[in-house]
Amino acid sequence: AQSVAQPEDQVNVAEGNPLTVKCTYSVSGNPYLFWYVQYPNRGLQFLLKYITGDNLVKGSYGFEAEFNKSQTSFHLKKPSALVSDSALYFCAVRDLVTDSWGKLQFGAGTQVVVTP
Amino acid sequence: SQTIHQWPATLVQPVGSPLSLECTVEGTSNPNLYWYRQAAGRGLQLLFYSVGIGQISSEVPQNLSASRPQDRQFILSSKKLLLSDSGFYLCACALAGGPYMVGETQYFGPGTRLLVL
Repeated sequence: AQSVAQPEDQVNVAEGNPLTVKCTYSVSGNPYLFWYVQYPNRGLQFLLKYITGDNLVKGSYGFEAEFNKSQTSFHLKKPSALVSDSALYFCAVRDLVTDSWGKLQFGAGTQVVVTP
Repeated sequence: SQTIHQWPATLVQPVGSPLSLECTVEGTSNPNLYWYRQAAGRGLQLLFYSVGIGQISSEVPQNLSASRPQDRQFILSSKKLLLSDSGFYLCACALAGGPYMVGETQYFGPGTRLLVL
């Protein structure tokens, strides 16, 4: 079975400081990993994904994530956080070995609060 | 690029009443379509997915049902709503249809907030 864990319910960071949102996963095969962001009362917006290749993936709005196979992690990072980055962040995984239909397993979400 | 529309944006319904939520997609053909429910502003639960017209798979037993009468239309329904059906319903679309999608990204609509009283 595949699963995703976001160990932090909330991350607080001051504007201008680096931001990290943690994600670990468990799949039976090679993972496809995704990050999404959700603003209040809105749908999810795609940020970035790892399929294969370079372990460091760059995405929208200055975000990046690093795939670490040995630690089964896919942490989201941003070098300098903005107040407008305050939102709910979701990590998601798909295991191509067990799923043929593109189904994603989502983590519980991490609320990011960036203070001025 | 694809655009996903969901209607209505907000809905307040009494317990026991029927439900129909609509999702339509523009800008692509033969997409995979998904219905999710988000409760309490947090985790997403996959309810249904569809890889083609009339092809629906259910992930969680419940009193909801889904239908896909047209290629780019996905409908979520209930004959009798329960209090526990309250939540934020999200429709998602993946560009590649059929099985063995390789790394295709799901894109989400704006959502429908349902409150059952």
